[in-house]
Amino acid sequence: NAGVTQTPKFRVLKTGQSMTLLCAQDMNHEYMYWYRQDPGMGLRLIHYSVGEGTTAKGEVPDGYNVSRLKKQNFLLGLESAAPSQTSVYFCASTFRGTFKDNEQFFGPGTRLTVL
Amino acid sequence: QKEVEQDPGPLSVPEGAIVSLNCTYSNSAFQYFMWYRQYSRKGPELLMYTYSSGNKEDGRFTAQVDKSSKYISLFIRDSQPSDSATYLCAMINNYGQNFVFGPGTRLSVLP
Repeated sequence: NAGVTQTPKFRVLKTGQSMTLLCAQDMNHEYMYWYRQDPGMGLRLIHYSVGEGTTAKGEVPDGYNVSRLKKQNFLLGLESAAPSQTSVYFCASTFRGTFKDNEQFFGPGTRLTVL
Repeated sequence: QKEVEQDPGPLSVPEGAIVSLNCTYSNSAFQYFMWYRQYSRKGPELLMYTYSSGNKEDGRFTAQVDKSSKYISLFIRDSQPSDSATYLCAMINNYGQNFVFGPGTRLSVLP
């Protein structure tokens, strides 16, 4: 049982390049989330998904796209990377969205630098 | 004003000290309150949660919620160097799908 895994762990991009971050969970969770974490800002929600085939915008969605084609995977895409997207990206999942009796499990993070 | 405020620290204490970490929030709809611990270069992990005013104890950790003041606290007794981490508060309302996190407080416990 691997929990939540993220690929890659580190990446350096040049401005304008594109990339996809992959999140996978093996806990049969319905809800999945993408956050970015910046110094002094805490975790900010980018996009989330309440089930296979669904996605929704979070607090800071601009410049990112997501897809949830399979229940266990949640992909985060950057079409044209900008230096402002330099951050640590965390994926998380929960069995259901409402908190009661649920815990949000986090992946180990992806450190992205955009030059 | 941010929805959730938290003193970023860093906070340095000697081993064995009692540590108090705090968050304030502005949205009275928040009903569930959580504390996450995040070690350097790792993802956050759930430490404690509570959904009512009052205290909840788990070993050396006590979570306290005062909904009337919109204020939550985490107390760590007999702090250990292994407690050195960033502590994030988080909260959610009854029907919300999204968690709102504080910016985190970095704690160092010195041996």
